[in-house]
Amino acid sequence: SAVISQKPSRDICQRGTSLTIQCQVDSQVTMMFWYRQQPGQSLTLIATANQGSEATYESGFVIDKFPISRPNLTFSTLTVSNMSPEDSSIYLCSVEEVGGGEQYFGPGTRLTVT
Amino acid sequence: RKEVEQDPGPFNVPEGATVAFNCTYSNSASQSFFWYRQDCRKEPKLLMSVYSSGNEDGRFTAQLNRASQYISLLIRDSKLSDSATYLCVVNQNTGFQKLVFGTGTRLLVSP
Repeated sequence: SAVISQKPSRDICQRGTSLTIQCQVDSQVTMMFWYRQQPGQSLTLIATANQGSEATYESGFVIDKFPISRPNLTFSTLTVSNMSPEDSSIYLCSVEEVGGGEQYFGPGTRLTVT
Repeated sequence: RKEVEQDPGPFNVPEGATVAFNCTYSNSASQSFFWYRQDCRKEPKLLMSVYSSGNEDGRFTAQLNRASQYISLLIRDSKLSDSATYLCVVNQNTGFQKLVFGTGTRLLVSP
């Protein structure tokens, strides 16, 4: 399966600031996704990152709060804007390889907002 | 009703035991199903896909019952290294791929 890296691996940020998380894949993939895992909870899909067009957001997530870029088939960024303590979470990117429907996850970015 | 429901556990079993996890899903249009394993403070890793006829991978067996909207995972001969949280995942395939995750079942295997 594809090798996925994320930067930063963790960060502590002040409320009101923004953080951009990068996701890099070692091969071209069609589908990339961004998830959030809040403390003690399971994963929730934030959006699908579409190459060359605007991301597709799930209910409860908006572009102004979580802008996403996908400039090519191996890279995407997620920005968490105007952060509050409620945004403290692990943010994970995932990719779907052709055909199977299975998704593979990056190591995640652990964000703490103070 | 949650889209994907699992017993959170924890399931405490001795090494060598057989343990089974169950999962139910609410969307009858769901097309594909998976079990992921998540270790503490790590990302989820795909354990196995679940096929209509059921499938086996070594000590792990997955079953799907579409009529009852029910998925199971059986682990035989449990190892200490099997201790983790097991996530039941449903792909709703509503025009594009969307994975919905259960909250996970925690397994603790003791010596």
